[in-house]
Amino acid sequence: EVQVLESGGGLVRPGGSLRLSCAASGFTFGTYTMSWVRQAPGKGLEWVAVISGSGGSTYYADSVKGRFTISTDNSKNTLYLQMNILRAEDTAIYYCAKLIGAGSSGWVDYWGQGTLVTVSS
Amino acid sequence: DIVMTQSPDSLAVSLGERATINCKSSQSVLHSSNKKKYLAWYQQKPGQPPKLLIYWASTRESGVPDRFSGSGSGTDFTLTISSLQAEDVAVYYCQQYYSTPLSFGGGTKVEIK
Repeated sequence: EVQVLESGGGLVRPGGSLRLSCAASGFTFGTYTMSWVRQAPGKGLEWVAVISGSGGSTYYADSVKGRFTISTDNSKNTLYLQMNILRAEDTAIYYCAKLIGAGSSGWVDYWGQGTLVTVSS
Repeated sequence: DIVMTQSPDSLAVSLGERATINCKSSQSVLHSSNKKKYLAWYQQKPGQPPKLLIYWASTRESGVPDRFSGSGSGTDFTLTISSLQAEDVAVYYCQQYYSTPLSFGGGTKVEIK
């Protein structure tokens, strides 16, 4: 059974840092594109970052470029999101998402339950 | 970047009636090489992560009831719920995967009239 489980969310002050983790199981982790998608309170879905299965390709939403870094550790079947210089507008539920279907792109066939990040003083 | 625009923002439908949600992409998501439409639909209920309903614009995910169907051309797409059930109350999102950055529509909230 495929599972993706996020951790690492919490309350952080503006300008601070946080690292999210996503532990994956039930599939060959290193062969699938993975992503972080966030949802601000009461708002819609926003792609944050995507990483190809090989780790060779990454891309970021303009809103987080230069502040967030997506990475994987295939030996631990884990996806990470390092978030620096956090702003109030980064407050959201962050979902770990497994992509399928279109090379280094695709649709999400499995979502985690999400981890809440709150940026506030 | 491809912008996805959904309409309406919300709709209220009687139980057993049809619900229709529209999604328009700012450029075609129909790939000329394989004739596939790079469009997916998701359902999100309160307090839950989204759930995949449809991919390739019209292919239903395993386990999704057949009252859900997707259709469309290169830029205009529709999600139809043929006979609305109480458990279909949710927000529905379209997503293009034709090009990066991937993008979602703004969502359509479906309620019972």
